[in-house]
Amino acid sequence: AQRVTQPEKLLSVFKGAPVELKCNYSYSGSPELFWYVQYSRQRLQLLLRHISRESIKGFTADLNKGETSFHLKKPFAQEEDSAMYYCAPQSGANSKLTFGKGITLSVRP
Amino acid sequence: EAGVAQSPRYKIIEKRQSVAFWCNPISGHATLYWYQQILGQGPKLLIQFQNNGVVDDSQLPKDRFSAERLKGVDSTLKIQPAKLEDSAVYLCASSFASNHPDTQYFGPGTRLTVL
Repeated sequence: AQRVTQPEKLLSVFKGAPVELKCNYSYSGSPELFWYVQYSRQRLQLLLRHISRESIKGFTADLNKGETSFHLKKPFAQEEDSAMYYCAPQSGANSKLTFGKGITLSVRP
Repeated sequence: EAGVAQSPRYKIIEKRQSVAFWCNPISGHATLYWYQQILGQGPKLLIQFQNNGVVDDSQLPKDRFSAERLKGVDSTLKIQPAKLEDSAVYLCASSFASNHPDTQYFGPGTRLTVL
């Protein structure tokens, strides 16, 4: 069965500290991988996707096919990074998106 | 560009009542999705439309939930009768295409409380 796991519910760090939000997936085939983010009182929105290989707001995500992981990283967290983050593999003929349970990132001043 | 619109934003009903949610996707987006997000969980896909046809409704509780997308634009999601466990945020999203990985754009959601 297809499954995505975000093992932590909450990560609290001080401003300037490194951040790593973990995501593991179990999928047949090669899914496309996304990170979505929801800031307070805002809509759920795309943060980044693996296929773009880009850095958004200082965040990067490395796909490790051997470990089936797609962890989200940022070297120096900012207070405005505080939000809910969801890992979401997408696969299948209809490109179905499956969300993890999400992790709350809290960046303290 | 205008984003995905949803209404109402909040709804409180009693169990066994019926409720309907409306969604207007981004202009030109062929694919429309309805998700259910229960507190503490990630969004779960209920139904996916490609234009006005259903392409995935495998997780839609069809005994009480129904959805339509007439004319391939706006969509409505209905629950009849509602149960306590239907309390959740209902999210609508749209994307340009569905036959390859594509960014989904989300609406603000409708928060449903069933008493």
